[in-house]
Parts: sequence; C-alpha cells; structure tokens
Amino acid sequence: AQSVTQPDIHITVSEGASLELRCNYSYGATPYLFWYVQSPGQGLQLLLKYFSGDTLVQGIKGFEAEFKRSQSSFNLRKPSVHWSDAAEYFCAVLTDSWGKLQFGAGTQVVVTP
Amino acid sequence: KAGVTQTPRYLIKTRGQQVTLSCSPISGHRSVSWYQQTPGQGLQFLFEYFSETQRNKGNFPGRFSGRQFSNSRSEMNVSTLELGDSALYLCASSLDRVKAQETQYFGPGTRLLVL
Repeated sequence: AQSVTQPDIHITVSEGASLELRCNYSYGATPYLFWYVQSPGQGLQLLLKYFSGDTLVQGIKGFEAEFKRSQSSFNLRKPSVHWSDAAEYFCAVLTDSWGKLQFGAGTQVVVTP
Repeated sequence: KAGVTQTPRYLIKTRGQQVTLSCSPISGHRSVSWYQQTPGQGLQFLFEYFSETQRNKGNFPGRFSGRQFSNSRSEMNVSTLELGDSALYLCASSLDRVKAQETQYFGPGTRLLVL
C-alpha cells in the first residue's frame, strides 16, 4: 500500500536560518509528489509538485524540493526562512488515476526571532 | 479568478443531527474532492466527483455522502453525527480528472464541531 511518512512532527528554526523538511514515500510506480502548506485557520496551498523530469523542483515562496528515487524521499528546503513561513507542511502522493491524495501526518514549523 | 469557496466556514451541531456542507470550485474546474482533517487521523480522503459522478471513495461509513451538481458545485452530507465527526472538512477542485496530475486547489475548509 502507498504511504507517506514525515518523520518530524515539529521543527523550530530561527528566522534567516535554512529549513529542511523530510518526506519519505512508499509507492510501487513512479510517484507524483506534492508539498502543501497550511497556515492556521486556512486551507492547503500547493508549494510545489513533482511528476517527472528534473529531480530538483522549484516552488513558490522560495521553496524547492529534491526527488531521490534511491532514498524514496522528497525533501523540502528553503535557504532562509521568514517569520511568515511558520505553518504546517504536508507531503502528499497521488495514489490513483482519479486524483486521490495520500498525505503525511504533517510537520509543524515554528520560526523564532 | 475566485478560489475554491466553502460554506459555512464554521458549524456547531449536536450528536444525531445531520449536516450539509457546500463547496464551489474554481470556475471551469469539473473535479471536486473532499477531505477530512482531524488531529488524530490527519488528512483523509472522503470522495471525489467529476461531472456529477462519484469516481472515487475513501474508507468512511455510509453516513458520509456527497453529490455534485451540473455547475460542478458539490455538497457533502453527514447523517447521524457522532462526536468523532468533529473535523475540518476541506474541498479541493481541479480542472480535469482525465489527467490525474492536475493540481488540486483547496478551499479554506468548514470547521464542524459536534457536541
């Protein structure tokens, strides 16, 4: 069965520091992978997605992610975080041709001054 | 373009009641999916509609149902509410379900509290 694991439930990072959020997936075929962000009281906003091609994907708000098939990982990175990046981040994999997404448990990011 | 809208945003119900939530997709989008988000179970897929047909369903009891109208607006209904149904219900729309990799755009959600 397909699954998505986000090992870190909570991460605290200083403003201006770099950020890396981990995501591991279990999927038989070539996965379609996504990162979404959810601010308090809001819905999910797509940061970036990977379908095929270049394994380094650029997204919005200065985020990027790298797909590593050998490690079954799709980690999200940002070189320098801003206080507005405090939110919950979800990794997701498309599990069928009808668009069903399976989400990881999420990583809560806290940004300190 | 207006985003996905969900109404109401907040709702309080008591056990045993039923509730109907509404989702209006982005103009031109024909696929609507519903997800339940709870602290314990995270984000779970409920069902997906495309052109008024339910194409996909998650592992939820029959108390959870939905439908889609000809204008692509969708409703979900939960009957005989239980305390565990308290959650944020998110709706997502996408342009075309034929291509599964179409990006899904999420609404702000409806927060349901069952007392």
